[in-house]
Amino acid sequence: DVKVTQSSRYLVKRTGEKVFLECVQDMDHENMFWYRQDPGLGLRLIYFSYDVKMKEKGDIPEGYSVSREKKERFSLILESASTNQTSMYLCASRDNPRTANQPQHFGDGTRLSIL
Amino acid sequence: GDSVTQMEGPVTLSEEAFLTINCTYTATGYPSLFWYVQYPGEGLQLLLKATKADDKGSNKGFEATYRKETTSFHLEKGSVQVSDSAVYFCGLHDRGSTLGRLYFGRGTQLTVWP
Repeated sequence: DVKVTQSSRYLVKRTGEKVFLECVQDMDHENMFWYRQDPGLGLRLIYFSYDVKMKEKGDIPEGYSVSREKKERFSLILESASTNQTSMYLCASRDNPRTANQPQHFGDGTRLSIL
Repeated sequence: GDSVTQMEGPVTLSEEAFLTINCTYTATGYPSLFWYVQYPGEGLQLLLKATKADDKGSNKGFEATYRKETTSFHLEKGSVQVSDSAVYFCGLHDRGSTLGRLYFGRGTQLTVWP
């Protein structure tokens, strides 16, 4: 089974801090994704990556950056945390970006609170 | 562009009732379609998928048929249980995409009462 591990289930940070959310997958997947999930808004894609050091902006990249130095790890960075970034963050991975029938595999999420 | 539209929730049913959650899509290419489920406190799990027109995906008593003529992929279950209470997401991957992105609907909250 694919395992996608997010480093923290719960995280509390202060406004203005630089925050790192880490995600690791164990199946050599090429694709990795970061979403945020908010009530009434569903999943919104922040950034995704289709290869090491390659990244693409999703629908709401403002205030975030990402890093993918190794294939198994995809980090989400809040450059200067703000209260409106309080949310549930979900990481996912997927095998091959060029195949249509591969599903995404999700981690359990990090609930981030910015005070 | 690609997009997915799901019926808005919440949906509240009694145990053993019939469930339908509507999903329609817009795609520039020829997509694969997915249903995911999210139980409380967890990430999303793949529930079922269909990769071509008229395919029926099924799992755990749930099923959905890929209807190209109506661009739909409605989720159904004949008799829901309390344990089916969760959020359900419809998603698509466009075969023309080389970047691997999936597009999701906003999710439908289902609550089943005993």
